[in-house]
Amino acid sequence: SQQGEEDPQALSIQEGENATMNCSYKTSINNLQWYRQNSGRGLVHLILIRSNEREKHSGRLRVTLDTSKKSSSLLITASRAADTASYFCATDDEYGNKLVFGAGTILRVKS
Amino acid sequence: ETGVTQSPTHLIKTRGQQVTLRCSSQSGHNTVSWYQQALGQGPQFIFQYYREEENGRGNFPPRFSGLQFPNYSSELNVNALELDDSALYLCASSPLLQETQYFGPGTRLLVL
Repeated sequence: SQQGEEDPQALSIQEGENATMNCSYKTSINNLQWYRQNSGRGLVHLILIRSNEREKHSGRLRVTLDTSKKSSSLLITASRAADTASYFCATDDEYGNKLVFGAGTILRVKS
Repeated sequence: ETGVTQSPTHLIKTRGQQVTLRCSSQSGHNTVSWYQQALGQGPQFIFQYYREEENGRGNFPPRFSGLQFPNYSSELNVNALELDDSALYLCASSPLLQETQYFGPGTRLLVL
């Protein structure tokens, strides 16, 4: 079973627009991460936010975390065609030795 | 590129056969995790190896087994293949106690 649920399942935007993806999870966490996957290949780590953090930035990425609502959001600003990919949130398990992924959001950026 | 490599890239097997997938960790990483990703879903944790010992296992049957070698490379073995084993198999390495995992490109397995 999967811990997280991403919303929306798919998102299509024009180049230059912002893209927002949301993730909800079920159990207490130590941290939450976002990964990107291009065309069914390997995942690339984007950003990690710890449970005691509320917001974090990395380049065009902004991640928020609300532990009271067990939810996170990923904002990609000024999107580019190269941002077209699937985006997954992942939480750690209680032992810290595995990542628990949601089903992902498919982002398409049209040029 | 993460420095994690996997082989082969694609594989076709028939039901009941056995398969071995290989992974070479990123330099300096002593922990390897394996994930199964079915089409349209997120990756699911199979197991993790640290210093050649299994260090956690997901909800997969015993016919999924693994090995880690002294150079930290790893193998995933699946016996008695079933149609539902068709998926992308991802290997990820990390230094122990570091949350971020670095993924290889995956092996796509098709079971007919």
